[in-house]
Amino acid sequence: GAVVSQHPSWVICKSGTSVKIECRSLDFQATTMFWYRQFPKQSLMLMATSNEGSKATYEQGVEKDKFLINHASLTLSTLTVTSAHPEDSSFYICSAFRGLAVSGGETQYFGPGTRLLVL
Amino acid sequence: GNSVTQMEGPVTLSEEAFLTINCTYTATGYPSLFWYVQYPGEGLQLLLKATKADDKGSNKGFEATYRKETTSFHLEKGSVQVSDSAVYFCALSDGGSEKLVFGKGTKLTVNP
Repeated sequence: GAVVSQHPSWVICKSGTSVKIECRSLDFQATTMFWYRQFPKQSLMLMATSNEGSKATYEQGVEKDKFLINHASLTLSTLTVTSAHPEDSSFYICSAFRGLAVSGGETQYFGPGTRLLVL
Repeated sequence: GNSVTQMEGPVTLSEEAFLTINCTYTATGYPSLFWYVQYPGEGLQLLLKATKADDKGSNKGFEATYRKETTSFHLEKGSVQVSDSAVYFCALSDGGSEKLVFGKGTKLTVNP
């Protein structure tokens, strides 16, 4: 099946620094990728939709200047958490959407997630 | 807005026990419904889906039926195995949309 990787798998950083997380589709091209955030014992919350060659679409309540998304190619999207603070500590998950489908859920392939801890 | 509610975990069962994980949803229109599974250290994987009322999704011995009258999509398996230990997520997508709305996830542990 399709494989999506994320790097790094976990990161610890100091408050005020920026952290970049990469999401790669390894064996297919993805015009659309999604970034989710998951708090402990909470569901995955969609943060933004990343479209190759255009600006990301952010969900309501997500600070676009805080969470910078760049979909540089058909196989790579990056999420940069700028000036990270302890409240940004979370589990970040990406997914890549492969081709056309009747409904989007069946052809989204998820990365293993990146755990961010901001001290 | 759309939402998904699934039973709180964790759920601990013995091998060969019967499994039910409840999932109900709230949606405008006619959503598609999904169950995803996340094994330790891996990304979410699609387990099964149903796109319209009364459809039954099935895979690897798991089943779920799209019940419009009760807005439910409960996951069942007749005989669980240790290898089924994972976190299970119920989700919906609003017909034609790529966006997914997830439940909180239910952790299942199956003991030998």
